[in-house]
Amino acid sequence: DTEVTQTPKHLVMGMTNKKSLKCEQHMGHRAMYWYKQKAKKPPELMFVYSYEKLSINESVPSRFSPECPNSSLLNLHLHALQPEDSALYLCASSQDEAGPQHFGDGTRLSIL
Amino acid sequence: AQSVTQPDIHITVSEGASLELRCNYSYGATPYLFWYVQSPGQGLQLLLKYFSGDTLVQGIKGFEAEFKRSQSSFNLRKPSVHWSDAAEYFCAVGALGYYGGSQGNLIFGKGTKLSVKP
Repeated sequence: DTEVTQTPKHLVMGMTNKKSLKCEQHMGHRAMYWYKQKAKKPPELMFVYSYEKLSINESVPSRFSPECPNSSLLNLHLHALQPEDSALYLCASSQDEAGPQHFGDGTRLSIL
Repeated sequence: AQSVTQPDIHITVSEGASLELRCNYSYGATPYLFWYVQSPGQGLQLLLKYFSGDTLVQGIKGFEAEFKRSQSSFNLRKPSVHWSDAAEYFCAVGALGYYGGSQGNLIFGKGTKLSVKP
C-alpha cells in the first residue's frame, strides 16, 4: 500500500474541460512533486513544492497549474488539455529536499 | 550535465537465476542514488537508496546495490529472481540545484524492463 494517495485513478476528459488531480500524504513530508510519465518512458518532473515554495519545469505548458493548499495536499489543475497530454500523472513526496521520494500510484489521464 | 544511463533496455532471466541491472551516472559531486521499481499501471516503489557511507546498500525484496565511485556505477543485484520481480526498474540520481535549487529532484535513467522466464 502506498502512503501517497492520488485521486482519481483514471480520468477521461475532453479538450475543453476543466478538472483537477489530487494528491495527499500524511507522512509529514515538506516537499511534494508532480511528474508526467508517458508509456515506456521515465517520469518527467513538472513541479516541486518545497516548504510551500513552488519550483517549475519551464517546459511545462500553462494549461497545467499546481496548487498546494497545505503541506499534506497537492492539486494539479487541468484546463484545455491536448491529446498529447494523455499520460500517467504521478505525485511524490519527500521528507525534505534531499530525502528519497515516495510515489503514489498515479492518475491515468486520457484526453479525447 | 547530470545524467543517468541504463544500458540495458530489456533483460530476460530465468526464475531462480541471479540478476544484475546496470546503472551509470554522471554527476559533479557525491550523488544521491536510488533504484525504483514500477509494475504495470502502478507508481514507483523505492527499492533502495545511497546517500553516503557503506557502498553496499541493502534494500527491500532481497535487492542490493553497490556504489562504485571509480566506475560511476550503482548496479542493482538480486541473487535469486522471483516471477513477481518482473517489472520496469529505474535508476535515479538526486540532482543538486535542479529546478530552482531543490536538491530533491530526480534525474531518471530510461529504465530496464525485466522479464522472468518460468
